[in-house]
Amino acid sequence: KQEVTQIPAALSVPEGENLVLNCSFTDSAIYNLQWFRQDPGKGLTSLLLIQSSQREQTSGRLNASLDKSSGRSTLYIAASQPGDSATYLCAGGDNNDMRFGAGTRLTVKP
Amino acid sequence: NAGVTQTPKFRVLKTGQSMTLLCAQDMNHEYMYWYRQDPGMGLRLIHYSVGEGTTAKGEVPDGYNVSRLKKQNFLLGLESAAPSQTSVYFCASRTQVEGRTEAFFGQGTRLTVV
Repeated sequence: KQEVTQIPAALSVPEGENLVLNCSFTDSAIYNLQWFRQDPGKGLTSLLLIQSSQREQTSGRLNASLDKSSGRSTLYIAASQPGDSATYLCAGGDNNDMRFGAGTRLTVKP
Repeated sequence: NAGVTQTPKFRVLKTGQSMTLLCAQDMNHEYMYWYRQDPGMGLRLIHYSVGEGTTAKGEVPDGYNVSRLKKQNFLLGLESAAPSQTSVYFCASRTQVEGRTEAFFGQGTRLTVV
């Protein structure tokens, strides 16, 4: 079954900096990969979804890429803002189930 | 537009008590999932369902049972609660239309077993 890993576990950057969050997975037969945001004590908000036939998706300041051959996905955040502070989770799976990484806790300092 | 609704939002149980968590979705999704989230461990899959009347085990199924009698509902049961089951539980549903699949989550149920 799919195993998903996220590095780093925590990241702190000054406001305005561009940053990259990493997600790796063990099974290249991944069906799709989805990035979520979670604020403390809250549920999950979907940010970007990349289908297995796609290589990247963009939404505003966010860009997610998927490289199935290397088992990696990245979430790029441009011009970070304090409001981007949250935990970012990636999830991927086969046709049926969906497995999560442990998340990266991002802090953007004003 | 309710999406995915979890009931209850909070609950405190005594060790050995039983309870059922309800997940309801109004998007006609085939796939539904139950996860638990513990500090520093991300979300771990408990059980999932690929359609009405079907269930399957995930990563951490022990101590839990599920049922999917109706397409829109996925129930998670704890027959004899243990302190190790203190966690935040999330339900999700997923669509799969023309190869496009996206998951939607409920707001979570915070369960404490004392």
